[in-house]
Amino acid sequence: DAKTTQPPSMDCAEGRAANLPCNHSTISGNEYVYWYRQIHSQGPQYIIHGLKNNETNEMASLIITEDRKSSTLILPHATLRDTAVYYCIGVRNNNDMRFGAGTRLTVKP
Amino acid sequence: GAVVSQHPSRVICKSGTSVKIECRSLDFQATTMFWYRQFPKQSLMLMATSNEGSKATYEQGVEKDKFLINHASLTLSTLTVTSAHPEDSSFYICSAFSTWSSYNEQFFGPGTRLTVL
Repeated sequence: DAKTTQPPSMDCAEGRAANLPCNHSTISGNEYVYWYRQIHSQGPQYIIHGLKNNETNEMASLIITEDRKSSTLILPHATLRDTAVYYCIGVRNNNDMRFGAGTRLTVKP
Repeated sequence: GAVVSQHPSRVICKSGTSVKIECRSLDFQATTMFWYRQFPKQSLMLMATSNEGSKATYEQGVEKDKFLINHASLTLSTLTVTSAHPEDSSFYICSAFSTWSSYNEQFFGPGTRLTVL
């Protein structure tokens, strides 16, 4: 699976969009980009995933560059409850998911 | 999304005892379950992958005789930490996946915090 690189931490003002970047320059053609988040002392929560096209659901949007070497998770209107560690993971099939260090997002009032 | 539960949520035990952690998929049949371990301020580390009815596949460095995994049914997997020691104290998290469902993600349990005295 592709190695992913994320900034260790980010801050965002409440109500503003949070844009979390992820580099996955070694991603292969059949690997999906998955995003999960983990709120303190809980299990990870699925956010969104994509292969080539941009994706949007009720939680977030995922923008994948045309060369697929990077992506951005967008939380359109961040709230205090969005404070968590966000993980970007390259997954060839859902039988193998390796978590990196993630980005610790802090939403501030 | 689907629901995965873990029991117990928290356990404290004495050194040398064994602890069993259950992971259940409540509303779907999980063809594959995964066990992760997470130390404070660190990321999740995959310990093993188990498919229903077959032996678990352990990651390098994870002792299979110490961390016994059983996936006897499509809704239940158990992790037994045998002869637990203080260094085994950690947050253990399971996840479940089904190749038959319309979901394409792993569903994670809430985790079990193990403290070995």
